[in-house]
Amino acid sequence: DAEITQSPRHKITETGRQVTLACHQTWNHNNMFWYRQDLGHGLRLIHYSYGVQDTNKGEVSDGYSVSRSNTEDLPLTLESAASSQTSVYFCASSPRTGQGRVEAFFGQGTRLTVV
Amino acid sequence: AQTVTQSQPEMSVQEAETVTLSCTYDTSESDYYLFWYKQPPSRQMILVIRQEAYKQQNATENRFSVNFQKAAKSFSLKISDSQLGDAAMYFCAYRSAGVGADGLTFGKGTHLIIQP
Repeated sequence: DAEITQSPRHKITETGRQVTLACHQTWNHNNMFWYRQDLGHGLRLIHYSYGVQDTNKGEVSDGYSVSRSNTEDLPLTLESAASSQTSVYFCASSPRTGQGRVEAFFGQGTRLTVV
Repeated sequence: AQTVTQSQPEMSVQEAETVTLSCTYDTSESDYYLFWYKQPPSRQMILVIRQEAYKQQNATENRFSVNFQKAAKSFSLKISDSQLGDAAMYFCAYRSAGVGADGLTFGKGTHLIIQP
C-alpha cells in the first residue's frame, strides 16, 4: 500500500542546531506540504512543493527551508533551531488538481522539542 | 486568502447521542473543496469526509454527514450515534480547486469528548 512516512517520530535538539526532518511518500503525488501544529493554532503551512525543483513559502516559513530533488521526498530543515519551533510537524501529499482524489494524505507527525 | 473558523474549541456528547461541529469559511472563490479531518490521540490525521462545492448534495459517510450551506459559507459535521472511538480533535479544512493552489487551510480544531 502507498504511504507517507516521517522520521524521526520524536526529536529533542538544542537551540542553534540545524535539524532536518524527513518525509517520504510512495503515492507518486506531485504535491507535498509541511505543516506545524500548535495548540490554539490548528495546522499552519510552512512550505510546499508542486513538483521536483519547485518549492514555495507558506504562512510560517521563517527559519525553515525545503528542497525537492525527487518526487518521493521533501525534507524540512530548521537552519538554527529556536525554542519557538518546538511543535508537532506534519508532512502531507496530494495529487495535483485535476488528477483524481483531492484530499491530502498525512504522515504520522514528528514531535520536535528545542531546548 | 481563505480563512476557516471553528468556533467551538471543545464539545461534549453522551455516547449514542448526536453532535454537530460547526465550521465557517471565508473565500471569494466559487469552486473549492471542504474536508473534515479527525485527529485521535495517536496524532494521525484521518480524513472523515469531503465535499465538493459544486455539488449541492451533502456528503455522507456512514454515521458522519455534513450540512453544506454554500451561500452562508458554512460546513458543519454531524456525528450520529456517537461512539467512544469518535473522541478526537476535529479539523475543518479548505482547498481551492484552482490550479496551483492545492494546499489546505485549516481551522483551529474542535476537541470532541464522548461521555460514556
